[in-house]
Amino acid sequence: GAGVSQSPRYKVAKRGQDVALRCDPISGHVSLFWYQQALGQGPEFLTYFQNEAQLDKSGLPSDRFFAERPEGSVSTLKIQRTQQEDSAVYLCASSPRGGGDGELFFGEGSRLTVL
Amino acid sequence: SQQGEEDPQALSIQEGENATMNCSYKTSINNLQWYRQNSGRGLVHLILIRSNEREKHSGRLRVTLDTSKKSSSLLITASRAADTASYFCAMIDSGGYNKLIFGAGTRLAVHP
Repeated sequence: GAGVSQSPRYKVAKRGQDVALRCDPISGHVSLFWYQQALGQGPEFLTYFQNEAQLDKSGLPSDRFFAERPEGSVSTLKIQRTQQEDSAVYLCASSPRGGGDGELFFGEGSRLTVL
Repeated sequence: SQQGEEDPQALSIQEGENATMNCSYKTSINNLQWYRQNSGRGLVHLILIRSNEREKHSGRLRVTLDTSKKSSSLLITASRAADTASYFCAMIDSGGYNKLIFGAGTRLAVHP
């Protein structure tokens, strides 16, 4: 499809497990963003890539969170030793422009539940 | 740092009525965006208004921006049940060009 694709859509993990969430942005989009959205809240910024470079990771809540985009297209958000407070929807967005100053195209999100 | 705050938090109206949502922010902006999110889905971009614009229209949507008051409003005219969703304003964080910050959103329910 032509949109941003995220997988898995739903993930249940036991506390302490590692998880990996994948994002396929729109082809050719330079910018890629990860957001965390708790129930009933707005999306919270996690990290930003411009091509393969991670230019901003100021929103990652702890060193258990790691994101990569090695070839400047697909990105993976990895959460190590998951905790219950990590339960949220993780949204990926891409943009044809550099930076966050223009329209972002969002995927449907990956809903993570940590038991 | 920048932060968008929407009000009201929740809004319940009948079909055919107009819905107005407001957004306030703290620091200067280049532009402000509005997004919509249906339950369990991703966000969809609605409209972007630049700091030198005062009003912008897109179909049944009307957005205003008052930079002196650091506020914006989104008006949906002749609402439909399908407009039921959460609506978020977003703007760039003053501390980082790359960080688009979202408010907590307004949850709109339109009843048939």
